[in-house]
Amino acid sequence: GENVEQHPSTLSVQEGDSAVIKCTYSDSASNYFPWYKQELGKGPQLIIDIRSNVGEKKDQRIAVTLNKTAKHFSLHITETQPEDSAVYFCAATPSGGSYIPTFGRGTSLIVHP
Amino acid sequence: NAGVTQTPKFRILKIGQSMTLQCTQDMNHNYMYWYRQDPGMGLKLIYYSVGAGITDKGEVPNGYNVSRSTTEDFPLRLELAAPSQTSVYFCASSYSGTEYEQYFGPGTRLTVT
Repeated sequence: GENVEQHPSTLSVQEGDSAVIKCTYSDSASNYFPWYKQELGKGPQLIIDIRSNVGEKKDQRIAVTLNKTAKHFSLHITETQPEDSAVYFCAATPSGGSYIPTFGRGTSLIVHP
Repeated sequence: NAGVTQTPKFRILKIGQSMTLQCTQDMNHNYMYWYRQDPGMGLKLIYYSVGAGITDKGEVPNGYNVSRSTTEDFPLRLELAAPSQTSVYFCASSYSGTEYEQYFGPGTRLTVT
């Protein structure tokens, strides 16, 4: 089955700095890679996703890059703000079978004012 | 739309008791999922369903049961609760499996003592 590794587990930055979270996956059949943000006491919520036919996608201050050859993808947050503080999860979804995503273990991002 | 709703929000069980976690979605989604979240361990899939009347095991199904009699509802049953089932439980739904975001409920925090 799919295995998703996510690093770092904790990331502490100053407001205004950039933050990068990296994930690797093992199944070359995976073709959909969503990122979820989980605020304290809430369920995860999709913030950005990327499909295997795209190398990079941006949405305002967040961007995701995908390297299918190396089987890794990354989340980039620029000009971080205190409200970006949350746990972020990456996931990889296979193109066949059950289509069930496999999640990374999460990164706790702390943005200090 | 209310999205995905879960009840109860909190519950304390004694060892050996049973309970049902309720999950309802009003988005007419085919796929529904149950996850448990333990600190630093990400989201572990317990069971999932691809449509009414169809359920399948995820990564950690032992000690749990599910049913899917309608598109909207996907209850999770805990029989003979054990301390190892202390966790936060999230229900999620998606239109289909591949390349569609998952919508998560607010979670149920369960403690077994």
